[in-house]
Amino acid sequence: EAGVAQSPRYKIIEKRQSVAFWCNPISGHATLYWYQQILGQGPKLLIQFQNNGVVDDSQLPKDRFSAERLKGVDSTLKIQPAKLEDSAVYLCASSLGPGTSGLNTGELFFGEGSRLTVL
Amino acid sequence: QKEVEQDPGPLSVPEGAIVSLNCTYSNSAFQYFMWYRQYSRKGPELLMYTYSSGNKEDGRFTAQVDKSSKYISLFIRDSQPSDSATYLCRGGYNKLIFGAGTRLAVHP
Repeated sequence: EAGVAQSPRYKIIEKRQSVAFWCNPISGHATLYWYQQILGQGPKLLIQFQNNGVVDDSQLPKDRFSAERLKGVDSTLKIQPAKLEDSAVYLCASSLGPGTSGLNTGELFFGEGSRLTVL
Repeated sequence: QKEVEQDPGPLSVPEGAIVSLNCTYSNSAFQYFMWYRQYSRKGPELLMYTYSSGNKEDGRFTAQVDKSSKYISLFIRDSQPSDSATYLCRGGYNKLIFGAGTRLAVHP
């Protein structure tokens, strides 16, 4: 079974430039997540999609970050304009969907991440 | 106060040692608890999942939840160099939050 695919693996940009990350989840997984992991910290949820609808984007800095999941499969995360503090690894994860409780306690499958350096 | 706190380490142990990794959480409503392992330059992978209190064992790994003290633990028996990684706890009820992770190094 193919895992979660992400690209690019590494990206270096200057501040105020833009960048986009792409994620292809595991086939059949309805739920897709974007996490931001700053060095020395745990992953922080940026946005969660259920199929192509947004479930939670409460921690997404909407003035500069945007994400979409067209057709409920692939997703892109964009940052424009980038700031120095956006330097992090951007992790995409997918899961089958919410359990009976409605909470996504199911196993998350993570990609290897996209490492962003903003200079 | 962070909702999920973890000592960042690093924790260095000899091969074969018993490792204890711990997290504390602040919200008594938390019901779901998980441990993830993250190798360098890789995404986290789920190790253990527990609901509410008690112990759960899987091979060399044991997860323990003490809701009275809001404390969750992961024990690794007979640790191996391949266990060297960052271990992240995750807990919550309607939203699940990651701790910052503890770096573990097991040396031969």
